[in-house]
Amino acid sequence: KQEVTQIPAALSVPEGENLVLNCSFTDSAIYNLQWFRQDPGKGLTSLLLIQSSQREQTSGRLNASLDKSSGRSTLYIAASQPGDSATYLCAVLSGGYNKLIFGAGTRLAVHP
Amino acid sequence: DAGVIQSPRHEVTEMGQEVTLRCKPISGHDYLFWYRQTMMRGLELLIYFNNNVPIDDSGMPEDRFSAKMPNASFSTLKIQPSEPRDSAVYFCASSFAQAIQYFGAGTRLSVL
Repeated sequence: KQEVTQIPAALSVPEGENLVLNCSFTDSAIYNLQWFRQDPGKGLTSLLLIQSSQREQTSGRLNASLDKSSGRSTLYIAASQPGDSATYLCAVLSGGYNKLIFGAGTRLAVHP
Repeated sequence: DAGVIQSPRHEVTEMGQEVTLRCKPISGHDYLFWYRQTMMRGLELLIYFNNNVPIDDSGMPEDRFSAKMPNASFSTLKIQPSEPRDSAVYFCASSFAQAIQYFGAGTRLSVL
């Protein structure tokens, strides 16, 4: 059974810091991995999707990497801003299915 | 496109009442997903449809829960009878094939 773990559960940093959020999964047979952002009381917004054959994806200040063999992904946020404050969720799409399995999320607070 | 539209945004009901949540997916998407989010269990997939056909309902907690997709532009999730432990935020999402899933804003359900 696929399980997704995110570390840390919460993170508080000053504005301008570069930071890394971690995601691990137990079954390497995945189709893709997605990073989402969730603001309080809102739905999820997709940030990056990495196919199983890819190593990384970049969008603006965000960079996500994938190491399928070790079951790990990282989300790197450069030059963090207060507007980046949100919960970041990692989810894997297991091969053969269309089911996203989510981690519990990392709650990020960027203070001015 | 307006994105995935869910209604109502908030629902407060009494135990034993029937609750119906509604979802309009993004036009052209062939997959529709229903998720439930709670503090204790995080985001869980309840059921998903492909081309209006239910594919996997293994996440539906009990027979009290049922979901339908009568056409490509509408789906419902029904709880009958509702119980206090059903209180959660229910999200609908849609995607084209196994690409990015787009989430609605969610329905916050409170069962008293």
